[in-house]
Amino acid sequence: AAGVIQSPRHLIKEKRETATLKCYPIPRHDTVYWYQQGPGQDPQFLISFYEKMQSDKGSIPDRFSAQQFSDYHSELNMSSLELGDSALYFCASSLGRGRETYEQYFGPGTRLTVT
Amino acid sequence: AQKVTQAQTEISVVEKEDVTLDCVYETRDTTYYLFWYKQPPSGELVFLIRRNSFDEQNEISGRYSWNFQKSTSSFNFTITASQVVDSAVYFCALMDTGRRALTFGSGTRLQVQP
Repeated sequence: AAGVIQSPRHLIKEKRETATLKCYPIPRHDTVYWYQQGPGQDPQFLISFYEKMQSDKGSIPDRFSAQQFSDYHSELNMSSLELGDSALYFCASSLGRGRETYEQYFGPGTRLTVT
Repeated sequence: AQKVTQAQTEISVVEKEDVTLDCVYETRDTTYYLFWYKQPPSGELVFLIRRNSFDEQNEISGRYSWNFQKSTSSFNFTITASQVVDSAVYFCALMDTGRRALTFGSGTRLQVQP
């Protein structure tokens, strides 16, 4: 079965640079979530989109922005990168509101290292 | 505010032992969902189970079983006859129906020794 695709899988950036992470949800899934997992930490919710509109917002820094496109893929844009942004970034997808399923299926993650 | 507590930071067992991972949650919502995810050393998060707050029936799937007790706000996970491949970090998570974001516990690292 098709899974959530994330690219790139690994990314190395320097401080103050920008990064763009991409997420392709499972086909027919219309909701995308972004999570950040620091070293030895649990995943923290950043932001989510349903039908191309932002639906919920978590602890996403103002330096980060995200959007969902017409084909339902999503991009997380990160600017003025800091050392503390080094983490594993997960994208998850699910069927959206009004449906009976609530499971979020996670992609393999993008490991971002800021030097 | 929602909170998930996994008090066991790390558990080490020998293969074929049974092991239970504890999860205690806090929420003011009357309808909510509980999840368990597995994170093996390769890093991905693998969905294991979802349980609705209005369904306290326990569930068994092969060597895995889950015990949901609303009275004690607990959703514990038992692995029977553990195997080395079960070695991973296991996260318990909570979601309410208003905000579809998952609130994770801090995870329990399970090491199964051969």
